[in-house]
Amino acid sequence: AQSVAQPEDQVNVAEGNPLTVKCTYSVSGNPYLFWYVQYPNRGLQFLLKYITGDNLVKGSYGFEAEFNKSQTSFHLKKPSALVSDSALYFCAVRTWGANNLFFGTGTRLTVIP
Amino acid sequence: DSGVTQTPKHLITATGQRVTLRCSPRSGDLSVYWYQQSLDQGLQFLIQYYNGEERAKGNILERFSAQQFPDLHSELNLSSLELGDSALYFCASSGGQGGRGDTEAFFGQGTRLTVV
Repeated sequence: AQSVAQPEDQVNVAEGNPLTVKCTYSVSGNPYLFWYVQYPNRGLQFLLKYITGDNLVKGSYGFEAEFNKSQTSFHLKKPSALVSDSALYFCAVRTWGANNLFFGTGTRLTVIP
Repeated sequence: DSGVTQTPKHLITATGQRVTLRCSPRSGDLSVYWYQQSLDQGLQFLIQYYNGEERAKGNILERFSAQQFPDLHSELNLSSLELGDSALYFCASSGGQGGRGDTEAFFGQGTRLTVV
């Protein structure tokens, strides 16, 4: 079975500070991991993915994520948060041969000016 | 713009009614996914089609059904609607062969369904 956990419903960070949004996963087999962002009244936008190779993945809007196999984590990071980063962030996982993307419950990020 | 088009954007209907939500995937994408997003349930996978065939089924109610047509657009049919069916319904599409896990899905803007 595949599952994703986002342990924090809400993350608050001051503008200019580094941000981290946490994600842990559980799969049988090698995971393919994804981060999406959702702005109010919009669909989910793809940010980045980890398939294989370098554990640090760079994506859109200055975001990056670090894959840690031993901790089964894929945390989303950004060195310096912007107010415009405030949104709902979803982590998702899939394994090869599986058709479905399993999503976490989402983390609401608020960047405080 | 993700390239995935969903219509209508908003839908208000009464309990007991039936509605059809439509999705046009990105050009060239063969897989279409349907998700339901409600406040208390998060993002729930409903069903996936690949090139016209059902490939995976999630928490989709028997009152709901979907299909993918030869031109690859998909429709989600919701019948005998209840107040609890009010939610955002998203369609997503991805390319590549069915069963590959490494391709990301691109989401439409969603259809907001309100059942009154």
